[in-house]
Amino acid sequence: QVQLQESGPGLVKPSETLSLTCAVSGYSISSSCYWGWIRQPPGKGLEWIGCIYHSGSTYYNPSLKSRVTISVDTSKNQFSLRLSSVTAADTAVYYCARLDSSWFFDYWGQGTLVTVSS
Amino acid sequence: QSVLTQPPSVSGAPGQRVTVSCTGSSSNIGAVYDVHWYQQLPGTAPKLLIYGNSNRPSGVPDRFSGSKSGTSASLAITGLQAEDEADYYCQSYDSSLSGYVFGTGTKVTVL
Repeated sequence: QVQLQESGPGLVKPSETLSLTCAVSGYSISSSCYWGWIRQPPGKGLEWIGCIYHSGSTYYNPSLKSRVTISVDTSKNQFSLRLSSVTAADTAVYYCARLDSSWFFDYWGQGTLVTVSS
Repeated sequence: QSVLTQPPSVSGAPGQRVTVSCTGSSSNIGAVYDVHWYQQLPGTAPKLLIYGNSNRPSGVPDRFSGSKSGTSASLAITGLQAEDEADYYCQSYDSSLSGYVFGTGTKVTVL
């Protein structure tokens, strides 16, 4: 059974960089599939952040592209998100998920709340 | 930033049928891209409910069904149950944005 688990600081200061890791179990990240990050501000809807393939190929939401970096570590079976120059608007629950080849997210992590505040 | 529009809320009595619409454009739903649906129970992560417009993953009750026509898609819940009270999101791919887009979300309330 595929499982994903996000980890990282729950509090980040404005202008600093948010860093999260998603550990994958029950499935090799090196197999086919893209892996993605999605976020949800409190009380609001879902926003796609970006995706990465095990080869390192990435694509990002144009609205966040200048601040986002997603990387993969196949040896640890995990992938990571970095979002720079954060503001209060980046406060959200951040989810990692597996993107099926038919372009839907079939497995999700439980999510982790990141608050941007001084 | 959502490019897929859903009604904020729909409601129905137990046993009734409700539908949730998802309206897009020619660069997403109206193109060749499929629509997928997710159910988000309070305080939990989204769960895949419908994929490829009308397919149910294993374990999803057949009370849930999906369809797509033109630039819109719909999720139908028949025989509404109290446990169906949740937020529902549609999702597709948008060629103009070159990325994935979610709907604005719909809260389904069981009266």
